[in-house]
Amino acid sequence: ELQLVESGGGLVQPGGSLRLSCAASGFSFSTYWMTWVRLAPGKGLEGVANIKQDGSEKYYVDSVKGRFTISRDNAKNSLYLQMNSLRAEDTAMYYCARDHRGLFDPWGQGTLVTVSS
Amino acid sequence: EIVLTQSPGTLSLSPGERATLSCRASQSVSNGYLAWYQQRPGQAPRLLVYGASSRATGIPDRFSGSGSGTDFTLTISRLEAEDFAVYYCQQYGSFPRTFGQGTKVEIK
Repeated sequence: ELQLVESGGGLVQPGGSLRLSCAASGFSFSTYWMTWVRLAPGKGLEGVANIKQDGSEKYYVDSVKGRFTISRDNAKNSLYLQMNSLRAEDTAMYYCARDHRGLFDPWGQGTLVTVSS
Repeated sequence: EIVLTQSPGTLSLSPGERATLSCRASQSVSNGYLAWYQQRPGQAPRLLVYGASSRATGIPDRFSGSGSGTDFTLTISRLEAEDFAVYYCQQYGSFPRTFGQGTKVEIK
């Protein structure tokens, strides 16, 4: 069964850091792009970052460039999102998803990040 | 970047009724690379339709997608209880991939 399980979310103060993880199973992780998508309160879905199979290409939405870093460990079938200098507007549910030519399927259940003092 | 505008924001319908959701792009979507996702409360989004009109694996045939260029539609022929959810369109023909803001289908 295809499965993605996120972890690492929580409450953090503005300016703080968090590292999200996504554990993949049920498919050949190393052969797919992977992506992080977030859903902020009252807003729509937003692609945050994605990464090529071997990690050689990474793309970020403008609002997180320089603050977030996407990475992966194919030996561990895991995807990561290091989030630094967090802002209130980063508050959202963060989902990882398999990225097949731009189609996101499947998605994990998400991990909630709350940035507040 | 391609901006996707979904309408209406909320659709209030009864079970058994037909739902028609619209997604309009600010410029033509390359190769018809338009997808629809469903998000039920408390659940992860799931892929419903890709390539504007192809149903994803396991999606019931009451869901159908249509359209090309800048105008796309998701139709649910007869709403069932589990269809009341938020629906997002997404274009994946150009970078960055973008989503619409969503249409909530609620029980009337």
